Amino acid sequence: SQQGEEDPQALSIQEGENATMNCSYKTSINNLQWYRQNSGRGLVHLILIRSNEREKHSGRLRVTLDTSKKSSSLLITASRAADTASYFCATDGGNNRLAFGKGNQVVVIP
Amino acid sequence: DTAVSQTPKYLVTQMGNDKSIKCEQNLGHDTMYWYKQDSKKFLKIMFSYNNKELIINETVPNRFSPKSPDKAHLNLHINSLELGDSAVYFCASSQEAGLLAGQYFGPGTRLTVT
Repeated sequence: SQQGEEDPQALSIQEGENATMNCSYKTSINNLQWYRQNSGRGLVHLILIRSNEREKHSGRLRVTLDTSKKSSSLLITASRAADTASYFCATDGGNNRLAFGKGNQVVVIP
Repeated sequence: DTAVSQTPKYLVTQMGNDKSIKCEQNLGHDTMYWYKQDSKKFLKIMFSYNNKELIINETVPNRFSPKSPDKAHLNLHINSLELGDSAVYFCASSQEAGLLAGQYFGPGTRLTVT
C-alpha cells in the first residue's frame, strides 16, 4: 500500500526562518494532504492539493506537488514558535483511505 | 464548540480487560474513522464508517469492534486488551468517504495497558 514518507524527519530553525519538508509516495493519487499535530493533540488539516495541481498556497503555507516524481513539499514561511509541531503528509489513493507518512518534527526556536 | 470529541482522554488498564472509547462529531459529517498512532507517531487507519455502515476494516484483530449507533457517533470496543494495544487512538470524521476536503481529528485517547 502507498505511504507518504516525509524527509527530513526533524528540523530545528530560528523564528522567522522558512521551514521546508518533503514527502514522497509510491503509487498514483487523487490528492495529497498535509496535517499538523501539536504535542498531545489530534491532527489538524492544513491543506489539500489535487493531483492535477502543482502548487497551492494557504497563508504562510506553500505546497507543491510533482506527480512525475511522486513527491510533495510543504514550505512554512516566516516561522513562528507556534509552528512547532509534527507535520504529516497523507495520500488519497482512491480507496477511501488516507495513507499517512511518518511525520516531520519541526521545532521553531524563539 | 468541539467538532470531534473523544472520551476518555486517558485510559490505563490491565491486560485482559475490556474497554471502550467513545467518539462524537457535531459537524454533520457522513464518514467517521478510527486510527491508531504508535509510539513512533506512525498513524494507521483501523476502521471507517459511512452513514453507519462499515466501509474500511483494515487488518485489525477481531478483539477490536467498532460500533456506530448513528452517523454522529463511532465507538471502539476492545476486548482482552494486550500490551501491544498501548497507543493513542484517534477518531476522525470527514464530509464524505471520497476524502476531498480533509479529515477532522479528535484529541485522541491515550491507552496504556499494563
